[in-house]
Amino acid sequence: ETGVTQSPTHLIKTRGQQVTLRCSSQSGHNTVSWYQQALGQGPQFIFQYYREEENGRGNFPPRFSGLQFPNYSSELNVNALELDDSALYLCASSLNLGSGSPLHFGNGTRLTVT
Amino acid sequence: AQRVTQPEKLLSVFKGAPVELKCNYSYSGSPELFWYVQYSRQRLQLLLRHISRESIKGFTADLNKGETSFHLKKPFAQEEDSAMYYCALESGGSYIPTFGRGTSLIVHP
Repeated sequence: ETGVTQSPTHLIKTRGQQVTLRCSSQSGHNTVSWYQQALGQGPQFIFQYYREEENGRGNFPPRFSGLQFPNYSSELNVNALELDDSALYLCASSLNLGSGSPLHFGNGTRLTVT
Repeated sequence: AQRVTQPEKLLSVFKGAPVELKCNYSYSGSPELFWYVQYSRQRLQLLLRHISRESIKGFTADLNKGETSFHLKKPFAQEEDSAMYYCALESGGSYIPTFGRGTSLIVHP
């Protein structure tokens, strides 16, 4: 089975620009969650998509937006980038909603905003 | 609001010594608790979850509702246990885990 893949692996952007990060979920998984992980911190929940609908959102401003496609892959878009957006962005898919479905993480996208 | 606290940023032990990685949580309902692990150059992955009451790689974790804790334990640490460990809490019905900041475990030979 194919695991969660994220692209790109690294990205450098300038403050004020926009960025799109992509995630392919593990085969058969219909739920995708996005996390932001700053250096030395645990993953912070951004939002979750279940069957193309947003299922929950963390404490992130509206300039963080997302999308899930019919094949359950997903995008994370960030507008008007700020220096504090520099972090590792993790995508995780799960078989379904529910605590019986653990998260399967990708390797992440390292975003640097200068 | 739910919160997960891992008080130790770093835990350093020698091979064969017992290990306990602490996790405390704040949540008023019935939580679902997990431990995730990230080995060097690998992705974050599930280690164990309290609902399964399982032992994985010699690690166990017991949910103590009175102390609101879910500490991860192993009686005899191995060098290959060196990794970053994250405790995570899922509140009832949300299906969205909240992670602690993580504890780096280093097991010396």
